[in-house]
Amino acid sequence: AQSVSQHNHHVILSEAASLELGCNYSYGGTVNLFWYVQYPGQHLQLLLKYFSGDPLVKGIKGFEAEFIKSKFSFNLRKPSVQWSDTAEYFCAVNAGDSSYKLIFGSGTRLLVRP
Amino acid sequence: EPEVTQTPSHQVTQMGQEVILRCVPISNHLYFYWYRQILGQKVEFLVSFYNNEISEKSEIFDDQFSVERPDGSNFTLKIRSTKLEDSAMYFCASGGNQPQHFGDGTRLSIL
Repeated sequence: AQSVSQHNHHVILSEAASLELGCNYSYGGTVNLFWYVQYPGQHLQLLLKYFSGDPLVKGIKGFEAEFIKSKFSFNLRKPSVQWSDTAEYFCAVNAGDSSYKLIFGSGTRLLVRP
Repeated sequence: EPEVTQTPSHQVTQMGQEVILRCVPISNHLYFYWYRQILGQKVEFLVSFYNNEISEKSEIFDDQFSVERPDGSNFTLKIRSTKLEDSAMYFCASGGNQPQHFGDGTRLSIL
């Protein structure tokens, strides 16, 4: 069965610090990978996605993620975080099956201190 | 940008009662989903719906759960006889193919 692991449950950073959130998945076939963000009181929003092609994908708000197939990883990065990045971040995978269902990681709560 | 809308935002129900959670997916999307998130846990897939039928369901989606698209716009999740452990945030999502767009969720509290 597919699974997704996010290693950091809580991350606290100061503004302008660099961010990297880990995500590993278990599935041997072709996968589509996503990062979603949930700001306090809001719905899940897509940050970025990887389907194929360049393994370094850029998303909204200065976020990027790198797909490393050999490591089954899809880590999220941002060079310089802002207070407004305080949110919960979810990595998700689907294996391209007929339902396109998403399997989520447990999420990482990011707190950015001003 | 079109949005997925869910009602109500919060539902409080006595154990054993039926509850219906409502969703209006994005109009030109073809795939519809329900997910849930128990407090402190990860978001879990419940069911997917395509072409007016369930395309996949998880182990969580037992006989107490059902989904329906009663008209061209609404997509509902019914829990027939709620249990305490059904207390969670329920998210509706829709996707033309992928990726999925999510609603704000319905917080279901079972007393």
